[in-house]
Amino acid sequence: DTEVTQTPKHLVMGMTNKKSLKCEQHMGHRAMYWYKQKAKKPPELMFVYSYEKLSINESVPSRFSPECPNSSLLNLHLHALQPEDSALYLCASSQGTIAEETQYFGPGTRLLVL
Amino acid sequence: EDQVTQSPEALRLQEGESSSLNCSYTVSGLRGLFWYRQDPGKGPEFLFTLYSAGEEKEKERLKATLTKKESFLHITAPKPEDSATYLCAVQAQGSGNTGKLIFGQGTTLQVKP
Repeated sequence: DTEVTQTPKHLVMGMTNKKSLKCEQHMGHRAMYWYKQKAKKPPELMFVYSYEKLSINESVPSRFSPECPNSSLLNLHLHALQPEDSALYLCASSQGTIAEETQYFGPGTRLLVL
Repeated sequence: EDQVTQSPEALRLQEGESSSLNCSYTVSGLRGLFWYRQDPGKGPEFLFTLYSAGEEKEKERLKATLTKKESFLHITAPKPEDSATYLCAVQAQGSGNTGKLIFGQGTTLQVKP
């Protein structure tokens, strides 16, 4: 089974709100990723966690705060977002060594910032 | 600079009309090339991983091939349910051990009955 789940499916928030996106996988993968995808564009990498430690931050603004509570769970905390942050947020996972590995994506959370 | 280019941007086919999608890459050492299918508003669905020139993989009506400069996704006798955006992505040695995927812009395929 190569399933990555994400909740919620849709989220609408104001610029002053605080919300969180959740991602879960039960494949025993030890690397997890957050991507942002705008309409008609490919996904852009935001963060990489390897063995529950943040290994890559692609210069993402501090209003996005990732968290990896355990090897199966990945959160993205959102605070004081801007309308241009509206996008599809994708979570992915891979086995653990990261390089050369296939990444499996979740269905995404569609975020709208008003 | 590492780069991935997909062509065409859009492709319309009649049901049963076979064709190929192209993914050209210029990278500092290829670690892996990945094909995904993405339906509107959904996450990319993994199709194939290719690691070395000459490698081929098949799944139902799809076949992916790899050379030193490009990859092709061949679609044989497509059906309307094959309509989607097909994304090609590479991992390059220049990205170190980051797992960073360099995506092409995608090819949007429409198959008409």
